[in-house]
Amino acid sequence: IAGITQAPTSQILAAGRRMTLRCTQDMRHNAMYWYRQDLGLGLRLIHYSNTAGTTGKGEVPDGYSVSRANTDDFPLTLASAVPSQTSVYFCASSDGSGGEAFFGQGTRLTVV
Amino acid sequence: LAKTTQPISMDSYEGQEVNITCSHNNIATNDYITWYQQFPSQGPRFIIQGYKTKVTNEVASLFIPADRKSSTLSLPRVSLSDTAVYYCLVGGWGHSSASKIIFGSGTRLSIRP
Repeated sequence: IAGITQAPTSQILAAGRRMTLRCTQDMRHNAMYWYRQDLGLGLRLIHYSNTAGTTGKGEVPDGYSVSRANTDDFPLTLASAVPSQTSVYFCASSDGSGGEAFFGQGTRLTVV
Repeated sequence: LAKTTQPISMDSYEGQEVNITCSHNNIATNDYITWYQQFPSQGPRFIIQGYKTKVTNEVASLFIPADRKSSTLSLPRVSLSDTAVYYCLVGGWGHSSASKIIFGSGTRLSIRP
């Protein structure tokens, strides 16, 4: 049982470069989310999608974009990375019923 | 916007019962209360969810008073492995209010031998 998979696990990225973080779930969940977690702090919502074909902005959407072409995949793109985007990124999914959300193991991104 | 307030940190000892209280004064009528646990270098993991009164599962209990403006997560007989950060969330996953689900700073629970 895979659940929710993120890739890469970690990445060092030069400032100004474009980067896409991948997230795939095999639970057929309608809703998916991207969070970032800075060192020692809580999670902040970047973007979300309640169903395939729709996306919405969270607390900290600037500098990030997402797409939801199908149910399983929810990639997060940094068009031009900056050092302040150094963080751990978590993808999550839920069935949309208001119950449990499942989180991936995270992608540790360092922008230098 | 239903923001939550929790203690920043708590300490306890193995075998004790730990209660972590969360305030959510602006909770909406259709909001659930959900608690997550996070270990270092891992994603958050669901512990328990409730709407009102008391909910119990194999790992914890959740107490919610009638006004729903607060909730208390109760961990019975904690062990060293319960050392983690605990987050209280208010909202409805996947609903139109998904963007309003806010993770606070959480409560850093440290269990000592």
